[in-house]
Amino acid sequence: GDSVTQMEGPVTLSEEAFLTINCTYTATGYPSLFWYVQYPGEGLQLLLKATKADDKGSNKGFEATYRKETTSFHLEKGSVQVSDSAVYFCALSEVAGANNLFFGTGTRLTVIP
Amino acid sequence: KAGVTQTPRYLIKTRGQQVTLSCSPISGHRSVSWYQQTPGQGLQFLFEYFSETQRNKGNFPGRFSGRQFSNSRSEMNVSTLELGDSALYLCASSLEASSTDTQYFGPGTRLTVL
Repeated sequence: GDSVTQMEGPVTLSEEAFLTINCTYTATGYPSLFWYVQYPGEGLQLLLKATKADDKGSNKGFEATYRKETTSFHLEKGSVQVSDSAVYFCALSEVAGANNLFFGTGTRLTVIP
Repeated sequence: KAGVTQTPRYLIKTRGQQVTLSCSPISGHRSVSWYQQTPGQGLQFLFEYFSETQRNKGNFPGRFSGRQFSNSRSEMNVSTLELGDSALYLCASSLEASSTDTQYFGPGTRLTVL
């Protein structure tokens, strides 16, 4: 079945450090891939997405490239800020005609000044 | 445009009771999905509705049910509550029911079962 494996957290970085959160997936077809972010006490917000191989999603300085050959969708940001502290979820949606998301376990990021 | 709204935001119930949660999608969105978030199991898909029809269901017992109204608003119901049902229940809406669509999430309803 479909699944998403995310890098274990928590991750603690200093402000302006480089961020990578690894995400790999297992799917029988051609999934769409998403990164969602959850700030404390809030619901999930879409950060970026990619719907086909080699697509790059980007938003707010975050980027992720859909790599079919390595079944990966790693999240990167060149310089993190304290305001980026949150939990990040990688997710996929595959079933044609439906859009239920399969989520990874989430990675908690804390950025210290 | 207003975002996805969920009511109530917090609920406390006791074992054996039932509960109904409500979700209003973004205006114009026809698909509504529900997810359960717990520290142990993470985010799990419950069910999805599109044009008042359940299109997809996750691996949850029959105590969990839902429906969608003609205005796309949705409710989910949990009967005979168990302690393990304590969770954050998230509703998400999207324009259509396509795997490429973005789902927009509400703030969630936090259910505590005592």
